[in-house]
Amino acid sequence: RKEVEQDPGPFNVPEGATVAFNCTYSNSASQSFFWYRQDCRKEPKLLMSVYSSGNEDGRFTAQLNRASQYISLLIRDSKLSDSATYLCVVNMGAGSYQLTFGKGTKLSVIP
Amino acid sequence: NAGVTQTPKFQVLKTGQSMTLQCAQDMNHEYMSWYRQDPGMGLRLIHYSVGAGITDQGEVPNGYNVSRSTTEDFPLRLLSAAPSQTSVYFCASSYSGLAGGPGTDTQYFGPGTRLTVL
Repeated sequence: RKEVEQDPGPFNVPEGATVAFNCTYSNSASQSFFWYRQDCRKEPKLLMSVYSSGNEDGRFTAQLNRASQYISLLIRDSKLSDSATYLCVVNMGAGSYQLTFGKGTKLSVIP
Repeated sequence: NAGVTQTPKFQVLKTGQSMTLQCAQDMNHEYMSWYRQDPGMGLRLIHYSVGAGITDQGEVPNGYNVSRSTTEDFPLRLLSAAPSQTSVYFCASSYSGLAGGPGTDTQYFGPGTRLTVL
């Protein structure tokens, strides 16, 4: 069973659209959750951490549902510069140093 | 701060050759790690270190060695390169590897090394 699963996409959306990604994880003991962004042929960079109460950073909103073991990322008013692959990242559990990365969801924002 | 640096950016090896991928960070981070990224596979953890002198295996450690003699440096050694090790290698560091509060476990990645083994 894959530990972190994401829809690979691609999601092709027009500028200004709202798009949402979901990610499911299998380890109920996981404590840390993140969304990273990776541009083509570049290194991943943290987009935002995901907290139990949900959190928002400008046009980006992340939610965590522990009962159903999924996290989500909502992007409002999409910009061309949002085109990238979005990686869902989860730690392996309490006291674990190991992070598990999803394979990523590719987003293309088109003019 | 330079952040996380990796050398070389590109490397081509022949099967059986050995080499060391260099990684350094200037943020005084305790936690450092090495990942490989293959098409369709996502990033997979090779080895990690929670401080100088301490290393441990990740998900795919076979064929790789690491050491951590200083806080700043975390080299990855390929002992005898194989075509299956063709990949993009990323080094990452964070203040703490554990969920120690907002920001402490944020991973900062280097720009990567693209390795081809013929």
